Amino acid sequence: GEQVEQRPPHLSVREGDSAVIICTYTDPNSYYFFWYKQEPGAGLQLLMKVFSSTEINEGQGFTVLLNKKDKQLSLNLTAAHPGDSAVYFCAVIPGTGGYKVVFGSGTRLLVSP
Amino acid sequence: GPKVLQIPSHQIIDMGQMVTLNCDPVSNHLYFYWYKQILGQQMEFLVNFYNGKVMEKSKLFKDQFSVERPDGSYFTLKIQPTALEDSAVYFCASSLDRGQDTQYFGPGTRLLVL
Repeated sequence: GEQVEQRPPHLSVREGDSAVIICTYTDPNSYYFFWYKQEPGAGLQLLMKVFSSTEINEGQGFTVLLNKKDKQLSLNLTAAHPGDSAVYFCAVIPGTGGYKVVFGSGTRLLVSP
Repeated sequence: GPKVLQIPSHQIIDMGQMVTLNCDPVSNHLYFYWYKQILGQQMEFLVNFYNGKVMEKSKLFKDQFSVERPDGSYFTLKIQPTALEDSAVYFCASSLDRGQDTQYFGPGTRLLVL
């Protein structure tokens, strides 16, 4: 079945720097992709949902790139600030359809002033 | 955005006892999910529930697990009896439509089985 590898597991950057998190998935027929942010004690907050036909997706302060050839999904925070400190998860809906979402293992991002 | 609530936030019980985790999903959502996250590991799908039925479940959804949503109240995950390896954070999620629709997650229930 679908496997999703996320890296790095931990990332520390200074305020204003960029931060990049990458997920690699295995099922080439995967068709929906998600980035979630989890702050301590809170549920997962949806950052962006990406359909497989859209390669570049702009959010507020971040960009999500989908590279179908390499089966990679990336989250790029362009100018990180301390409020971005959280755990970030990618998630993929595999091409087999069904109901389940396969998650990456998470990246703990720390942005220091 | 839409909020999913989970009660309790923490639960400590002795091995062999029964535990019920409660989820208050987004009000107009129709699909409900449970995920399990062991400390330091990724979140893993347990089960999906729709229209009173389990639609899909994973290998992690053991025979000791059951789910229900009686009369549109809480969506519950019951574990009976519990085992040490059930210690984890359990996340509930709900969505309006099936798989491709956005799932909204609760904050999780931290379950510790002693």
